[in-house]
Amino acid sequence: AQKVTQAQTEISVVEKEDVTLDCVYETRDTTYYLFWYKQPPSGELVFLIRRNSFDEQNEISGRYSWNFQKSTSSFNFTITASQVVDSAVYFCALTLTGGFKTIFGAGTRLFVKA
Amino acid sequence: GAVVSQHPSWVICKSGTSVKIECRSLDFQATTMFWYRQFPKQSLMLMATSNEGSKATYEQGVEKDKFLINHASLTLSTLTVTSAHPEDSSFYICSATLNRGNGADTQYFGPGTRLTVL
Repeated sequence: AQKVTQAQTEISVVEKEDVTLDCVYETRDTTYYLFWYKQPPSGELVFLIRRNSFDEQNEISGRYSWNFQKSTSSFNFTITASQVVDSAVYFCALTLTGGFKTIFGAGTRLFVKA
Repeated sequence: GAVVSQHPSWVICKSGTSVKIECRSLDFQATTMFWYRQFPKQSLMLMATSNEGSKATYEQGVEKDKFLINHASLTLSTLTVTSAHPEDSSFYICSATLNRGNGADTQYFGPGTRLTVL
């Protein structure tokens, strides 16, 4: 069975702190895709990153970085120097090839205080 | 980037009425659209996958006759909640992909529709 676990329900940090959101996934497929989405209070999901199972290179985009480790089935997301605008719910998701189905984690609610 | 719209953004209706929600891909043709439901402070749950010109594929536990999905064109899919009841109150989100056939396709999400059934 496929599963995405985001163990952190809520995280609260002070502005400028670094914060890492954890994501652990389960699948027996060898080809799959992992995503991170941001859902601000407005409700609309914003795509952040897509990573395929064969590409374990870490990625950095501005203050955002992602650490993909197949050995531990983890795809963690770090925000450096957090800002109040980063406050949102962040979802990690797993999509399998062929079936198209995307499984979302429970989400991590991030509060960044000024 | 690809833009997906939903209409209406919110709706309040009486129990027993039907509500139609539209999902449109504005600047691309979406061969596949997805409908999700999200209860407060919970994750997104896939309800159904809709391919243009064919019947939707519903997830286990989702009533086909309750949640009617029509994907009539490459830019429009509709979800009709028939005989809505208070327990159907939720945030309904659609997404669309550019291609069909593999999980690499990024899903572009609509802004969501908040349904409240009184």
